[in-house]
Amino acid sequence: DAGVTQSPTHLIKTRGQQVTLRCSPKSGHDTVSWYQQALGQGPQFIFQYYEEEERQRGNFPDRFSGHQFPNYSSELNVNALLLGDSALYLCASSYTGVYGANVLTFGAGSRLTVL
Amino acid sequence: GQQVMQIPQYQHVQEGEDFTTYCNSSTTLSNIQWYKQRPGGHPVFLIQLVKSGEVKKQKRLTFQFGEAKKNSSLHITATQTTDVGTYFCAGNTGGFKTIFGAGTRLFVKA
Repeated sequence: DAGVTQSPTHLIKTRGQQVTLRCSPKSGHDTVSWYQQALGQGPQFIFQYYEEEERQRGNFPDRFSGHQFPNYSSELNVNALLLGDSALYLCASSYTGVYGANVLTFGAGSRLTVL
Repeated sequence: GQQVMQIPQYQHVQEGEDFTTYCNSSTTLSNIQWYKQRPGGHPVFLIQLVKSGEVKKQKRLTFQFGEAKKNSSLHITATQTTDVGTYFCAGNTGGFKTIFGAGTRLFVKA
């Protein structure tokens, strides 16, 4: 039973560039949430996707966008990269059932460095 | 907006000592989860509490959810070196957004 897989593991970009991060959820999960984790901080909620639509968004600018595909996998896109976007980007999958989609299974993350 | 605060930020203990981390929310939570992140790793789900005053145990770990559903705690009895990591509480207020605290980093000296 595969867990959450993310790619790439590490990447380096320069300011102004664009990046796409990918996530495959755990088998049986239908919901994908993206988090940004700066060094020494807790994960910050970016947005959540369910049924191929963004159903809630955190306090992140429009430079952050996403997509969910029919197979439940998801992408996170960040445009016009800033130095402050350097962080670990975590994908978390869950199952939206009667009790919500609160129990999160995290992937290993994509470490983004912006120079 | 909703905030989840955790204290302490760091805790150094001798192996065998107990450890407690506390979590407080600015708003009433519908549920709270606890996650553990090992150094260099990713958060791993430990437990979810839903009911007011709920107490759950996992071996040496005891989790509590406050009566007002605005605070929670995690207590580890007789810490071991394998307990090293950062413990996060994370809460929901009924929407789909799970808000994480800043975490408590536990150091255990053998």
